[in-house]
Amino acid sequence: TAGITQAPTSQILAAGRSMTLRCTQDMRHNAMYWYRQDLGLGLRLIHYSNTAGTTGKGEVPDGYSVSRANTDDFPLTLASAVPSQTSVYFCASSDRGQNEQFFGPGTRLTVL
Amino acid sequence: AQSVTQPDIHITVSEGASLELRCNYSYGATPYLFWYVQSPGQGLQLLLKYFSGDTLVQGIKGFEAEFKRSQSSFNLRKPSVHWSDAAEYFCAVAAYTGNQFYFGTGTSLTVIP
Repeated sequence: TAGITQAPTSQILAAGRSMTLRCTQDMRHNAMYWYRQDLGLGLRLIHYSNTAGTTGKGEVPDGYSVSRANTDDFPLTLASAVPSQTSVYFCASSDRGQNEQFFGPGTRLTVL
Repeated sequence: AQSVTQPDIHITVSEGASLELRCNYSYGATPYLFWYVQSPGQGLQLLLKYFSGDTLVQGIKGFEAEFKRSQSSFNLRKPSVHWSDAAEYFCAVAAYTGNQFYFGTGTSLTVIP
């Protein structure tokens, strides 16, 4: 079982460009999440989805959008990247909101 | 609002020594509590979790944590640290009725020989 996969592993992006970070899980979990991890700030929730077809905003949603067309996929889109979005992005999933979350390996994004 | 505080940014211990990582939470009801570990360049791995029942919970890799409601704490312990335990450790709380985790800012553990 692969668990959660994320792509790409890393990316350098010019400011102003758009990009979609991909996340796929094979555990049939209802809930999925996107976090960013920055030094000294821990993990901060960007967006979440409790079930396919629904999404919600987390702590730092500005500049990001998500969609949840099906159970397995939860892409994160940066419409017009800015340098402050340089970070490591983690996707996670859980079978219920309060249960443990399983994390992907992360995507390291650098916006120049 | 829920929050998690890990007061120690960085801890250094000698291999074989005991370890305690502190975690305090703020939440009005019974929380769901978790400890995760992150090795360099990796994602987060669950060490242990507390939902209810026995306040001392055992996890993987020889770790344990104790839930103390009176102190709003969920400290992580290990009797004898191994060099491979060097990593970043995150405490997290989830609301019973919610759908969000709240992570602490993490404690970086260095193990010296």
